Amino acid sequence: GNSVTQMEGPVTLSEEAFLTINCTYTATGYPSLFWYVQYPGEGLQLLLKATKADDKGSNKGFEATYRKETTSFHLEKGSVQVSDSAVYFCALENSGGSNYKLTFGKGTLLTVNP
Amino acid sequence: DGGITQSPKYLFRKEGQNVTLSCEQNLNHDAMYWYRQDPGQGLRLIYYSQIVNDFQKGDIAEGYSVSREKKESFPLTVTSAQKNPTAFYLCASSTPLAGAAETQYFGPGTRLLVL
Repeated sequence: GNSVTQMEGPVTLSEEAFLTINCTYTATGYPSLFWYVQYPGEGLQLLLKATKADDKGSNKGFEATYRKETTSFHLEKGSVQVSDSAVYFCALENSGGSNYKLTFGKGTLLTVNP
Repeated sequence: DGGITQSPKYLFRKEGQNVTLSCEQNLNHDAMYWYRQDPGQGLRLIYYSQIVNDFQKGDIAEGYSVSREKKESFPLTVTSAQKNPTAFYLCASSTPLAGAAETQYFGPGTRLLVL
């Protein structure tokens, strides 16, 4: 079956530090990969996505590259801000089947201090 | 503005009581989903619906029921059979596109607490 494993948090950084949140997956076929972000007390928002190997998704200074050889989709940002404090979820969609369910990782809490 | 609304924001349930969480979308999306979020466990799929008058069980459907009588609405009932209902419930919608990555759009969530 499908599964997503992401690094456990919490992650605490100072403003302007470099961020990496690791995400690896297990899936048959060729899944699409996503990063969602959840700010306190809110629902999830799509941050970025990639649909095939070597694709790079990017948004708001965040980037992630779909690495099929290592089954990974690590999230990176060169300089984090206090406003980036949130929970980040890695997810996959295995559209090789007849449904389009998302499988989520457990989430990583990021706290950025001024 | 298009989006997904969930109500109420907080809901309290007494022992043996059924409660219904509302989810409405005006995005004209075909598919709708219900997830449960518990601390440290990420999101788990309860039910989903790809089309009106049809829905399927997700990974943790026991103790829950849904209906999909209208495209815009996908209410979730937490029944008395759900013994541990305290959680944050998230509704989402999407329009699956053949050959394309689907993006699910999420509502703001309902927090259910047991009295």
